[in-house]
Amino acid sequence: EPEVTQTPSHQVTQMGQEVILRCVPISNHLYFYWYRQILGQKVEFLVSFYNNEISEKSEIFDDQFSVERPDGSNFTLKIRSTKLEDSAMYFCASSPGQGFDEQYFGPGTRLTVT
Amino acid sequence: AQSVTQLGSHVSVSEGALVLLRCNYSSSVPPYLFWYVQYPNQGLQLLLKYTTGATLVKGINGFEAEFKKSETSFHLTKPSAHMSDAAEYFCAVSEAKYGNKLVFGAGTILRVKS
Repeated sequence: EPEVTQTPSHQVTQMGQEVILRCVPISNHLYFYWYRQILGQKVEFLVSFYNNEISEKSEIFDDQFSVERPDGSNFTLKIRSTKLEDSAMYFCASSPGQGFDEQYFGPGTRLTVT
Repeated sequence: AQSVTQLGSHVSVSEGALVLLRCNYSSSVPPYLFWYVQYPNQGLQLLLKYTTGATLVKGINGFEAEFKKSETSFHLTKPSAHMSDAAEYFCAVSEAKYGNKLVFGAGTILRVKS
């Protein structure tokens, strides 16, 4: 069964450093998403991406964040200058369509900023 | 704006007992509703979803949920708990009017006692 994969599973970085979280969505899916879950808090929407552009973003997704689909298979989330409060589990998801279509989630990348 | 409230951050049941996990939502338009399950160190897996039509929805692993518009609820049930049901369960809402993002509840950790 096709699945969403994410690398790395765990990333430790120092405050102020740039990190890139990588995702490979399911191949025939059209919509891509990033969510995050700070320890002990809700899963929060960050951004959705469709047709090579951002379709929606949350207020969390400020200028420090960017997304890219560089080669038609990978989907990346870049954090330019990490802060302590960026420490969280980051989930990538993809879906074939919108609205009522199921979003398929990857296993997550745990980002620890020290 | 959409929101989801899950009553009870932890629920404990005996093996073979009824499982009831509560979810109430707030939405300005007819919602799409989802239940996801997360096992340790894994991503979010869809259990079931309600979009339109029949209000009683059956999902995987014997779970079902009923959409009650008058109560703005979408509670998850399973007649007989199994040890393998121990996990964290998330209720989520999506509104096509506001794009594809999922808005999650805080999650309920289900513990199954032998």
